[in-house]
Amino acid sequence: GAVVSQHPSRVICKSGTSVKIECRSLDFQATTMFWYRQFPKKSLMLMATSNEGSKATYEQGVEKDKFLINHASLTLSTLTVTSAHPEDSSFYICSARQSGTEAFFGQGTRLTVV
Amino acid sequence: DQQVKQNSPSLSVQEGRISILNCDYTNSMFDYFLWYKKYPAEGPTFLISISSIKDKNEDGRFTVFLNKSAKHLSLHIVPSQPGDSAVYFCAASGMNNNDMRFGAGTRLTVKP
Repeated sequence: GAVVSQHPSRVICKSGTSVKIECRSLDFQATTMFWYRQFPKKSLMLMATSNEGSKATYEQGVEKDKFLINHASLTLSTLTVTSAHPEDSSFYICSARQSGTEAFFGQGTRLTVV
Repeated sequence: DQQVKQNSPSLSVQEGRISILNCDYTNSMFDYFLWYKKYPAEGPTFLISISSIKDKNEDGRFTVFLNKSAKHLSLHIVPSQPGDSAVYFCAASGMNNNDMRFGAGTRLTVKP
């Protein structure tokens, strides 16, 4: 299947700093990219959906100024967690999708804010 | 608003038997359904999908059934193997929509 690369796989940052997570579709052009967050023992919660070249659509309750999403090209989307706090510690997963197909997922990023 | 529901958080099955994982949805606009398998600390991997024009799709040991009138789908794994032990997520989306919603997941344990 198609490959989606997410980087970094693990990151530890200090409270108050920002961290950027990259999501790349390696062998296909992703018209849509999704960002999810998974809490322990809970489902994948959709944070936002982004289409290349346009602003991301955020889910209710997700702070767009805190979780900045940039989908600059058909193969790259980034999620920046700004002014991170310990409660932002979580497992973040991106996925990429061509129109009308299944979504392919990145490996996930374990963010720990200390 | 939980648009996709997996009411069983866990399922335990003996090796060689059938595993049946269930999923219900509420949004009648969904017309494309998927099952993903997930191991801890990894991203989900795609298993099988079905569009709303079908009621069954089969791929090896995995079969997905869709009952549109009941807004219900299920994943059958037969025969179940210990390596199938993982969390299974049901997902739904519209072919022309951009969002994809997940159920809460069902942890399948296949005992040798």
